[in-house]
Amino acid sequence: AAGVIQSPRHLIKEKRETATLKCYPIPRHDTVYWYQQGPGQDPQFLISFYEKMQSDKGSIPDRFSAQQFSDYHSELNMSSLELGDSALYFCASSAGGRPYEQYFGPGTRLTVT
Amino acid sequence: SQQGEEDPQALSIQEGENATMNCSYKTSINNLQWYRQNSGRGLVHLILIRSNEREKHSGRLRVTLDTSKKSSSLLITASRAADTASYFCATDEIGSEYGNKLVFGAGTILRVKS
Repeated sequence: AAGVIQSPRHLIKEKRETATLKCYPIPRHDTVYWYQQGPGQDPQFLISFYEKMQSDKGSIPDRFSAQQFSDYHSELNMSSLELGDSALYFCASSAGGRPYEQYFGPGTRLTVT
Repeated sequence: SQQGEEDPQALSIQEGENATMNCSYKTSINNLQWYRQNSGRGLVHLILIRSNEREKHSGRLRVTLDTSKKSSSLLITASRAADTASYFCATDEIGSEYGNKLVFGAGTILRVKS
């Protein structure tokens, strides 16, 4: 069965640079969620989109923005990167009507040096 | 953690023993789920229990939910070395309309020694 795809899997950036993370949900899933997991921490919700509209917002810094496109894939744009942005970034997707059944991608490991 | 504490933070047992992890949460929930994460890798969904359920089984997993105490436990029976991982509980809150964000607990690191 198709799973959530995230790219890239690993990314190394320097401070103050910009990064773009991509997420391709499971086919026919209309909701995408982004989570950030710092070293040794639990995943923290950043933002979600339902049918290409932002549906919920968590602890996402103003330096970050995200959107969901017409094909339902989503991109998380991160600017003015800081050392503290180094983390695993997970994308999850779910189908309308069953939002609690979130399927997680493998994550993108971002390292800011 | 946004949600509450997981107990214990770390657990080390021998292969074949049972492992019990607990999780507490703060809000009224629709569902509670347990996830496993191998070191630095993706989250694997283990089991979901709805707020109107008290106990659920799946293979070697047994989950209980006590909504009056806002707590849940995950029991892994007959543990194997391959069960070594971090285990997180996650809840989705009542009231979200489109796409319920998950709120994760701090996680329990389980080490099963062979």
